[in-house]
Amino acid sequence: DAGVIQSPRHEVTEMGQEVTLRCKPISGHDYLFWYRQTMMRGLELLIYFNNNVPIDDSGMPEDRFSAKMPNASFSTLKIQPSEPRDSAVYFCASSPGTNPFFGPGTRLTVL
Amino acid sequence: RKEVEQDPGPFNVPEGATVAFNCTYSNSASQSFFWYRQDCRKEPKLLMSVYSSGNEDGRFTAQLNRASQYISLLIRDSKLSDSATYLCAVNFNNAGNMLTFGGGTRLMVKP
Repeated sequence: DAGVIQSPRHEVTEMGQEVTLRCKPISGHDYLFWYRQTMMRGLELLIYFNNNVPIDDSGMPEDRFSAKMPNASFSTLKIQPSEPRDSAVYFCASSPGTNPFFGPGTRLTVL
Repeated sequence: RKEVEQDPGPFNVPEGATVAFNCTYSNSASQSFFWYRQDCRKEPKLLMSVYSSGNEDGRFTAQLNRASQYISLLIRDSKLSDSATYLCAVNFNNAGNMLTFGGGTRLMVKP
């Protein structure tokens, strides 16, 4: 069975550019999470959805970040404009209501 | 104070050694607890859940101490392949297992 799919796996962009990260959760999972991992701050929850509805976005760092889930099989995390401090690994995870299963992550570098 | 805290390590141990990690959490109403394993440049993967009565999975034993608000992971007869970062995760509100992660403890098993 396919796990959580994320694209792109690596993204290098310049400060000020828009970045869109994509996620396909595991089929049948009702919950979708976006996490960010850095050396300094560890693994932080940014936002999570239940049945495509955003439930808690208190972890979203600022208005430059937005996330959508237009249907049960697709979610995006957008950063506009991007800044060097946004450089991190962004993980999408999905869950049927138990522990989350993580995707392979998108390694973002903002120059 | 962080909500979930771990000693970052690294713990350097010889093969065959027994090693234990602790993880403290701040919210006494926490609902569920997990240990995840993360290999270098990979996503976190569930190692085991932590049950109130303690639980064992092969060489791995997890324990929960609600009174002192910590969970522990014991690895017996450590293998080279156990080298990884171990993340504890706590669900504070039972909302679809929205997990808060500790910073991780790095384990290096040497021949």
